[in-house]
Amino acid sequence: EAGVAQSPRYKIIEKRQSVAFWCNPISGHATLYWYQQILGQGPKLLIQFQNNGVVDDSQLPKDRFSAERLKGVDSTLKIQPAKLEDSAVYLCASSLEYPGLNTEAFFGQGTRLTVV
Amino acid sequence: SQQGEEDPQALSIQEGENATMNCSYKTSINNLQWYRQNSGRGLVHLILIRSNEREKHSGRLRVTLDTSKKSSSLLITASRAADTASYFCATSGSRLTFGEGTQLTVNP
Repeated sequence: EAGVAQSPRYKIIEKRQSVAFWCNPISGHATLYWYQQILGQGPKLLIQFQNNGVVDDSQLPKDRFSAERLKGVDSTLKIQPAKLEDSAVYLCASSLEYPGLNTEAFFGQGTRLTVV
Repeated sequence: SQQGEEDPQALSIQEGENATMNCSYKTSINNLQWYRQNSGRGLVHLILIRSNEREKHSGRLRVTLDTSKKSSSLLITASRAADTASYFCATSGSRLTFGEGTQLTVNP
């Protein structure tokens, strides 16, 4: 089966610019996650969708970050305006069901963002 | 905030030795999962242990879970150079939350 697709793989922008990342989860997966991973750290959950509804966005900096999941399938994560500290790898993942139902998450390759 | 904390942060061993990584967490969970990440790549699921299970095996991997101590361990037996990677525990309730990881280096 096809895996989680993310694009672009790499992005370099100047601070205060905007950027968008795209994710196509595995077909039929109800849960979609966006994580931010700063070099040397573990993935930090930014937002979790169940179908097209938001389950958790408590760690999403809502003054500059936004995310949507279109028709419960693809998702986009946007940053506007970007700051230097947003430099990180942005990982998208999906799982068949809600994580408490004992399902594993499948990850994309990530988008490496560098803000200069 | 991150839920899990791995220990040690870094581990270096020789090929053929066993590697043990520990994870502690703070709140109640439905299950605990272990993932592996090679440098510059996405995370790959290794094993899931449910809250009512105490031990689980998969190939050279052995995971234990002690819910009374809110801790888990991952044992990799007979390690290989190809096992060199970062290993993360992730706790699962309503969210899937990762720890900071253990960087494992297996020297040939």
